[in-house]
Amino acid sequence: GQQLNQSPQSMFIQEGEDVSMNCTSSSIFNTWLWYKQDPGEGPVLLIALYKAGELTSNGRLTAQFGITRKDSFLNISASIPSDVGIYFCAGQLVETSGSRLTFGEGTQLTVNP
Amino acid sequence: ETGVTQTPRHLVMGMTNKKSLKCEQHLGHNAMYWYKQSAKKPLELMFVYSLEERVENNSVPSRFSPECPNSSHLFLHLHTLQPEDSALYLCASSQENLLAGRDNEQFFGPGTRLTVL
Repeated sequence: GQQLNQSPQSMFIQEGEDVSMNCTSSSIFNTWLWYKQDPGEGPVLLIALYKAGELTSNGRLTAQFGITRKDSFLNISASIPSDVGIYFCAGQLVETSGSRLTFGEGTQLTVNP
Repeated sequence: ETGVTQTPRHLVMGMTNKKSLKCEQHLGHNAMYWYKQSAKKPLELMFVYSLEERVENNSVPSRFSPECPNSSHLFLHLHTLQPEDSALYLCASSQENLLAGRDNEQFFGPGTRLTVL
């Protein structure tokens, strides 16, 4: 099925650094979601974006819905060790696919204390 | 219990065994999903149930058999699995509201780590 291009695939950073990751698609979405998955657990929803250009924050996390509706980015500021995990982007086009999600391949984040 | 729960959390089975995975959602949602997550691969959608009707089956082998007896419960029955079926199996639920165009997010359970010997 369709996939999103998510980059980078992995990141190794020092505690306190800022992180940025993004997703691009060849087709438009009307919802972008960002999830985090800890080892051995299911993905947890971090941020939902519903409108092109929307910028939304959740604590140290900030995500934006691209103007073209084909991309989104997630920033994490002042990283801490518990930010370690895999971050997934996901797109929805509700009018044609309902709640179905198209997932990116994930960004593995490692934070060194 | 809140959110989406899955049992068991870990399962080891032989290729000739029959087992079932259970998912329960406490969110009042009307759609439920099974995903397979293998190492180094994106999440693979297996089955979708909307209002207890199976609406999607993504070419999943018949050794996986889903069942949705009501809007809160979803099962995945397993029989004669292969070692390559070892993976994390995730259940998710959502409230499908096509008219709203938003708030259709999927919420995931913690998964069942399945190992087939």
